[in-house]
Parts: sequence; structure tokens; C-alpha cells
Amino acid sequence: KNQVEQSPQSLIILEGKNCTLQCNYTVSPFSNLRWYKQDTGRGPVSLTIMTFSENTKSNGRYTATLDADTKQSSLHITASQLSDSASYICVVSNFGNEKLTFGTGTRLTIIP
Amino acid sequence: EAGVAQSPRYKIIEKRQSVAFWCNPISGHATLYWYQQILGQGPKLLIQFQNNGVVDDSQLPKDRFSAERLKGVDSTLKIQPAKLEDSAVYLCASSFRGTDPNEQYFGPGTRLTVT
Repeated sequence: KNQVEQSPQSLIILEGKNCTLQCNYTVSPFSNLRWYKQDTGRGPVSLTIMTFSENTKSNGRYTATLDADTKQSSLHITASQLSDSASYICVVSNFGNEKLTFGTGTRLTIIP
Repeated sequence: EAGVAQSPRYKIIEKRQSVAFWCNPISGHATLYWYQQILGQGPKLLIQFQNNGVVDDSQLPKDRFSAERLKGVDSTLKIQPAKLEDSAVYLCASSFRGTDPNEQYFGPGTRLTVT
């Protein structure tokens, strides 16, 4: 069964600090993995998309890594800002039918 | 470029009542998705349209949920009759097949509360 598991469920850090969110998946066959940011009351917004051959991809202060062998991904946020407070969802796409499997998300709270 | 539009943003109804949600995708996007997101969970796909045809509705509770996309543009999702467990955010997304496969753009969602 295709599954995406994220950890931690929630995280609270001080403004300016770095943090790393984890994602493990069992989706097969694999097409791509993406990280979404979902602000409260809003729809998810794509941060990064990585295919099988990509190990890392950055979008400003967000850097995602992918290890396709161990089926793990991480999202690293550098120098956090209050606006980074949101849920971060890991999503994996099936090769062929492009069905998406969503994780349950990590709720990140940045405190001043 | 305008994003995916949804209305209403919020809706409160009593159980056994009916409700309808509307979605207008990004112009030119052939594929439209409806998701249900229960609090604390990731979105779950309810139905996927390619133009005005249904591609996947395997997780749509067809005894009470229905959706249509008559002209291949706007879409409506209906629940009749609603149950308490239908309380969730209903997200609409669209994508333009031919560029980045499955790059989905989400609307703000409709938060439904069933009392």
C-alpha cells in the first residue's frame, strides 16, 4: 500500500533558527516527490518538486533532499521567519498514473 | 495569472441538508481535482476530471457525493444528504497536462461544518 509518513507531527522553534522536516514513503513505482506549504485557511502551495535523479533542490530558504534508495526526503528551512508558520506536506507521485499520495503534514510554528 | 477560485469559503449546514461547492480552475488547465481534507490529515482525492470526463472517482462516496464539469471549465461538487463526518475542507486543484505533469495548483478551499 502506498504510504507517506512525516515527522515530527508538530514542531515549535524560535524565529531565526533552522529546522528539518522528514518524509518517508513506500510509493512505488516512484515518479516525483514534492513539498507543499499550507498556510492556515489556504490551499497548499508547491515549494519543490524532485524527480528520481535529483538529490537536492532549493527554493529560497527551503532546501529539499531526496534519497530514492532509502525512500526518504527532508525539507530544511534556514533562518526561519514568522511567515514560515504553516503545515508542510510531503506528496509522492506514482509513475504511470501520476496518482498523488499525501502525507499528513508537519505543523510548524515559529515563535518570536 | 489568476489562481484557482472557489466559493463559498465557508459553509455551515445541518446534517441531512444539501450543499454545493463551486470551482473555477486556472484558465487553460484541462485537469481538475476535488479533494477532501479532514482536520489534521492530508488531502484525499475525491474525483479527477480531464476536460469534462471523469478520470478517477474511486474514492467518491457516490451515494451522497456528486460532481460535474459540464463544459470542461467550472466544476461543482454536491453533497446530498450531508453527514457529520463530511465536515472538512474541500479543495479544488487544477493542472495543465503537457508541461510539468501533475503540477497541481490549489484553490483556497471551502470549509464545511456539518452540525
